[in-house]
Amino acid sequence: GENVEQHPSTLSVQEGDSAVIKCTYSDSASNYFPWYKQELGKGPQLIIDIRSNVGEKKDQRIAVTLNKTAKHFSLHITETQPEDSAVYFCAASKGRAGGSYIPTFGRGTSLIVHP
Amino acid sequence: NAGVTQTPKFRILKIGQSMTLQCAQDMNHNYMYWYRQDPGMGLKLIYYSVGAGITDKGEVPNGYNVSRSTTEDFPLRLELAAPSQTSVYFCASSYTTGGNDEKLFFGSGTQLSVL
Repeated sequence: GENVEQHPSTLSVQEGDSAVIKCTYSDSASNYFPWYKQELGKGPQLIIDIRSNVGEKKDQRIAVTLNKTAKHFSLHITETQPEDSAVYFCAASKGRAGGSYIPTFGRGTSLIVHP
Repeated sequence: NAGVTQTPKFRILKIGQSMTLQCAQDMNHNYMYWYRQDPGMGLKLIYYSVGAGITDKGEVPNGYNVSRSTTEDFPLRLELAAPSQTSVYFCASSYTTGGNDEKLFFGSGTQLSVL
């Protein structure tokens, strides 16, 4: 089955710095890569996603890049703010073409933004 | 819409006791999922359902049972609670029809301790 590795497990930055979280996946049939943000005491919430036919996607201060050849994708957060502090999960799924919509999650990255 | 509602939010069980974690969604989603979250281990899929009357095992199903008699409800049953089942449990749902609609909506979680 699919295996998703996520690094780092903890990331500490100063407010205003950029943060990068990286994930690799094992199944070349995976074609959908969402990122979820989990604030303390809450369930994860989708913040951005990318499909395998796109190399990069941006939404204001966050962006995701995908390298299908290397089977890795990354989340980039620019101009970090204290409210960005949370646990971030990457995931991968194969969708209809791969016969499964069930996502496999990475272990999560705890991002701490210091004021 | 209330989204995905989980009850209870917290529960302490004694070893060997049984309980049911409730999950309900009001978005007419076809897919529903149960995950457990252990510190540093990400989200592990316990069971999922692609529609009423259909359930399937995920990565860590042992010690759990589910049912899906209606589109809205997806309860998770622990029959003989063990300390290894101490975790935070998340229910999620998605409206997956074969198009670009694989986004998961999560509930706020149930924190379970088995002592």
